[in-house]
Amino acid sequence: GQNIDQPTEMTATEGAIVQINCTYQTSGFNGLFWYQQHAGEAPTFLSYNVLDGLEEKGRFSSFLSRSKGYSYLLLKELQMKDSASYLCAVRDRGDDKIIFGKGTRLHILP
Amino acid sequence: DAGITQSPRHKVTETGTPVTLRCHQTENHRYMYWYRQDPGHGLRLIHYSYGVKDTDKGEVSDGYSVSRSKTEDFLLTLESATSSQTSVYFCAAGGFSNQPQHFGDGTRLSIL
Repeated sequence: GQNIDQPTEMTATEGAIVQINCTYQTSGFNGLFWYQQHAGEAPTFLSYNVLDGLEEKGRFSSFLSRSKGYSYLLLKELQMKDSASYLCAVRDRGDDKIIFGKGTRLHILP
Repeated sequence: DAGITQSPRHKVTETGTPVTLRCHQTENHRYMYWYRQDPGHGLRLIHYSYGVKDTDKGEVSDGYSVSRSKTEDFLLTLESATSSQTSVYFCAAGGFSNQPQHFGDGTRLSIL
């Protein structure tokens, strides 16, 4: 089976940097996704990691360590519109299921 | 987004009635998924499909069935709805290899 853990809530200040962690256990790993979800809306794709290391996309970066079962999403130059939930999801190698963590609700203070 | 349409968008029904939710995609994705989202639980996988007539169970499949007779359509059926199935249901397509999943706008289902 799979288990994915992320903090429930985080608070950060506009203009700052925040790191959202995700740890996972899976019988066979085949990729990790990060999604953003604003309240009342559908999740939207942010990043994908399958190999160890850092993937950078503008203000957002995502890191993966397969040996540690660990990923983080780094958000720089925070803006008020970044207030949302951030979802970590893992695909299992054996059956291609994509399972989500419970999400991290990020609050941005002015 | 990316051609994923869910119908209906909202539904209110009574306990014991059958309910079918439809997901339609225009991108020819092989993989499609049904999730439910509840406060405190995040997105939980109900069933998924890896091709026409090929489906498998997810984390919370009890009380749900699915069918995929065409690539573009993935149906979720609650045979006899219960109040515990009140939720927001999301369909997704994609997710193969490095493809992200694209989500529909969700169906808000209330079982009274």
